Amino acid sequence: GAGVSQSPSNKVTEKGKDVELRCDPISGHTALYWYRQRLGQGLEFLIYFQGNSAPDKSGLPSDRFSAERTGESVSTLTIQRTQQEDSAVYLCASSLVGTDTQYFGPGTRLTVL
Amino acid sequence: KQEVTQIPAALSVPEGENLVLNCSFTDSAIYNLQWFRQDPGKGLTSLLLIQSSQREQTSGRLNASLDKSSGRSTLYIAASQPGDSATYLCAVRDTDKLIFGTGTRLQVFP
Repeated sequence: GAGVSQSPSNKVTEKGKDVELRCDPISGHTALYWYRQRLGQGLEFLIYFQGNSAPDKSGLPSDRFSAERTGESVSTLTIQRTQQEDSAVYLCASSLVGTDTQYFGPGTRLTVL
Repeated sequence: KQEVTQIPAALSVPEGENLVLNCSFTDSAIYNLQWFRQDPGKGLTSLLLIQSSQREQTSGRLNASLDKSSGRSTLYIAASQPGDSATYLCAVRDTDKLIFGTGTRLQVFP
């Protein structure tokens, strides 16, 4: 595709429900990142995938957060038992290995009521 | 722990002004520093990337400088235009991930 795509663009859910957010990286990009941006704050790193290597999960805020990526394609970020503090824009980015530029998707705005 | 700070948090200027956005970071051991633009409802667009060995980068009306030893970067925008209105984020690369500042929200009015 032309760029990184994310779905849904908006998600409203009730506290305690599980949600899945999807990211389609640019074709051929082996690296994929998830970030979170809460209102009025900067982006926070969540998780990083690079090819078949073990992901860097150091930014995941709790065990309610998990992410998967199959090969070098789509990634899914799952938040279980959502809390109101999970409300944020979740951004995905991808890059070519050996390059520094990360290309960002438009984000998924998650609202937990 | 690396911390990135941006000042000012918001800036409103008339069209045509030259302006400077500031970014500071606490740990000078960075791979590179990037400036991004974020428009409402859209993702981030990379504007300039400065490697740790470089001092500045230029693209059109934008110029970014990096002083790694003092932990500072500036983004200079020349002859600002209303289309420059957006939030500007700086980010330093720490191994594989980017650490972002909270951004400067810029409004350029006609």
